[in-house]
Amino acid sequence: ELKVEQNPLFLSMQEGKNYTIYCNYSTTSDRLYWYRQDPGKSLESLFVLLSNGAVKQEGRLMASLDTKARLSTLHITAAVHDLSATYFCAGAMYSGGGADGLTFGKGTHLIIQP
Amino acid sequence: NAGVTQTPKFRVLKTGQSMTLLCAQDMNHEYMYWYRQDPGMGLRLIHYSVGEGTTAKGEVPDGYNVSRLKKQNFLLGLESAAPSQTSVYFCASTLDQGAGNTEAFFGQGTRLTVV
Repeated sequence: ELKVEQNPLFLSMQEGKNYTIYCNYSTTSDRLYWYRQDPGKSLESLFVLLSNGAVKQEGRLMASLDTKARLSTLHITAAVHDLSATYFCAGAMYSGGGADGLTFGKGTHLIIQP
Repeated sequence: NAGVTQTPKFRVLKTGQSMTLLCAQDMNHEYMYWYRQDPGMGLRLIHYSVGEGTTAKGEVPDGYNVSRLKKQNFLLGLESAAPSQTSVYFCASTLDQGAGNTEAFFGQGTRLTVV
């Protein structure tokens, strides 16, 4: 059974600072996802990481995957207020060609203050 | 391009009432999922479907039933609603989970309150 743990669960930071959200998972995950959710809204896909060493960047966000350490990170560079949201990581396992769905972490509630 | 559409967006039920949530996708996706989101819990998988006519249980299936009679629709039913089912429900779909850079597309959510 795949378990996904994020930390921190709550993060308050100042604009212009850098920070990293960590996502650990318990067993082999075929891929790792990062999502953003604004209050009262749906989930927006940020990154899909498929293989060990994968790194993807979009604007001030960069995600990486280390399958040996079972760790993914979401790094925020020079944070701006618009990045305030809840960020989720999710892992996925596929057995026998079937899709078992995504297993989500509890989310990191990020507040970026001016 | 509508993507994934959930109906209704909000609903208040009395304990013991029944209802059906509808999820429709226009992307010809094979795989569809129902999740519930509770504060501090992330999203948890209720049921899922790998194709028309097939369904399977997820992490928290008790109290829910599903049906996938048409490829584009995935219905979630509550036969006898309980206050513990107060939650935000999300439907999602994917094209092919077996390979490739596949992402899951989520609906806008249904906020359900059971009183």
